[in-house]
Amino acid sequence: EVQVVESGGGLVQPGGSLTLSCAASGLPFANFWMTWGRQAPGKGLEWVANIKGDGSEKHYVDSVNGRFTISRDNAKESLYLQMNSLRAEDTAVYFCSSGGHMDVWGKGTTVTVS
Amino acid sequence: DIQMTQSPSSLSASVGDRVTITCRASQGIRNNLGWFQQKPGKAPKRLIYAASTLESAVPSRFSGSGSGTEFTLTISSLQPEDFATYYCLQHNSYPYTFGQGTKLEIK
Repeated sequence: EVQVVESGGGLVQPGGSLTLSCAASGLPFANFWMTWGRQAPGKGLEWVANIKGDGSEKHYVDSVNGRFTISRDNAKESLYLQMNSLRAEDTAVYFCSSGGHMDVWGKGTTVTVS
Repeated sequence: DIQMTQSPSSLSASVGDRVTITCRASQGIRNNLGWFQQKPGKAPKRLIYAASTLESAVPSRFSGSGSGTEFTLTISSLQPEDFATYYCLQHNSYPYTFGQGTKLEIK
């Protein structure tokens, strides 16, 4: 069974930085695209970024491009999201999901920028 | 960016009803669309991928159809556990985009 578990959320001041982590299991991690999504309080879902299995290809939504960096460590079967220059509008629950098309989701980790 | 317009934004229905939710893409996306269910305080769960393929363990009362710019999610006979918010996601071109969601409520 595929499982992904996010961690690293918290309270950060505007302009600050935070790194989220996602531990994956039950899949050949190095062969899978991985994705970050988010959901602001009371709002809908937003696709944020994804990364190819070997890390050679990355894509971002415009609103985070240049501020967020997605990366992975295949030996640790882990996905990361480095978030810099955080803004109030980045406040959300951040979800990790397996696959390029968001196959299996974790429960999320909450980021509050205030 | 491709805009996904989902309708209706909310829907009241009764157990046993047949309901249909629609997603329209601002440009053609072939069949590169998924449908997700989210219950309050929970992670989303993918129900359908490639527009019409049911995920394993998803009940057969759920079905998806469409290609190009218009897609539908149908629940043939609503069950109490189906009351949730539903989203479509296009993954044809970057940035991937979700519909704004359809909240399905009990009448």
